[in-house]
Amino acid sequence: DTEVTQTPKHLVMGMTNKKSLKCEQHMGHRAMYWYKQKAKKPPELMFVYSYEKLSINESVPSRFSPECPNSSLLNLHLHALQPEDSALYLCASSHFLSRPGSNQPQHFGDGTRLSIL
Amino acid sequence: SQKIEQNSEALNIQEGKTATLTCNYTNYSPAYLQWYRQDPGRGPVFLLLIRENEKEKRKERLKVTFDTTLKQSLFHITASQPADSATYLCALEGNNDMRFGAGTRLTVKP
Repeated sequence: DTEVTQTPKHLVMGMTNKKSLKCEQHMGHRAMYWYKQKAKKPPELMFVYSYEKLSINESVPSRFSPECPNSSLLNLHLHALQPEDSALYLCASSHFLSRPGSNQPQHFGDGTRLSIL
Repeated sequence: SQKIEQNSEALNIQEGKTATLTCNYTNYSPAYLQWYRQDPGRGPVFLLLIRENEKEKRKERLKVTFDTTLKQSLFHITASQPADSATYLCALEGNNDMRFGAGTRLTVKP
């Protein structure tokens, strides 16, 4: 079992639907991340939150909307997605972030497998 | 542009042998490098971190080297076991984030 919990594990949605992915950690980490991973490709960073504030948005389309309600929770709201958005969406967390990615191992959840019809 | 290259997409070895995986990078000046393991359908799991001033790091059967002159890291698994079969990813700090290599899929055959 991982210490970062993601729900749901699988999600199938139509292009007009609105859904949310959820991520939770109770390790006291103050940096949280969303990644997108396509098959046989590395994880690609989408967003970074540091102390509940968005610190990095890697030019992600506005149909993806992140939210960090508190230090333990991270959401990714989805709306009007495209078939090419089908992928594994990974959440990760790490200790205090002096600057993004700085010298801290990231703890990943097992992801949400998203399929867009 | 910045690139991270892992030597091969797939590596097959016999149980008991040493697996050696390579991570090369260009246009990075990383202060550290990380290695992760990813199993199918699971998220990456952190294995080792090595800093630029460290030549070598060990953890049980794992060994990582970091040569900032060659811009290369080597990841070794000694006395490999079928349970070591997975995809191994190296990761580097970029301008503002951490970037992953494409990974090497290791298969250890009994």
